[in-house]
Amino acid sequence: QVQLVDSGGGVVPPGKSRRLSCAASGFTFSNYAMYWVRQAPGKGLEWVGLILYDGSEKHYADSVKGRFTISRDNSKNTMNLQMDGLRNEDTAVYYCARGDGSGYYFDFWGQGTLVTVSS
Amino acid sequence: EVVLTQSPAALSLSPGERATLSCRASQSVPNYLAWYQQKPGQAPRLLIYDVSNRATGTPARFSGSGSGTDFTLTISSLEPEDFAVYYCQQRSNWPLMYNFGQGTKLEIK
Repeated sequence: QVQLVDSGGGVVPPGKSRRLSCAASGFTFSNYAMYWVRQAPGKGLEWVGLILYDGSEKHYADSVKGRFTISRDNSKNTMNLQMDGLRNEDTAVYYCARGDGSGYYFDFWGQGTLVTVSS
Repeated sequence: EVVLTQSPAALSLSPGERATLSCRASQSVPNYLAWYQQKPGQAPRLLIYDVSNRATGTPARFSGSGSGTDFTLTISSLEPEDFAVYYCQQRSNWPLMYNFGQGTKLEIK
């Protein structure tokens, strides 16, 4: 069965960096685009970015462009989110999600990992 | 940028009742619209894609409809496990981005 496990969250001072990981299993990871979606406490969902199946393209939301970097290692079935220059407004639960194949939707999600940006 | 506006923000109904949730786009969008269900402390779950197709495991009481700027998620007869927050979502192509509505909280009356 498809499983996505998010990890790496924690408390981070403003301006510092954090690296999140998503470990995938139960499907051929290298065939799927992968995404990061976040949710601030008590708020709605916000798309963060995507990486194509082979890592050849990456796209980011304007709110994180230039600060966040998505990467993947298809040999290890993992995706990472490197977050630099963190701000208070980046506080959120970060979910990794699998693209459904069409490029339009997210069909499986990780359990999420909480990043709190605070001094 | 396409903005998705969901209404109502909250809806109080009883089990067995019919729920109608709305998602309005700020401009006409292709029929690539999805609905997700999120329960407290859980990740979202894909319910409906391409406006009206049920995702694997979605019960038949859930249906989606609409086109252009107006889309609807209908739950024909509410079960206790349906009380959750529902989000609509679509993709814009230029620039590439994925947009979510702000959510509708479906509460037990």
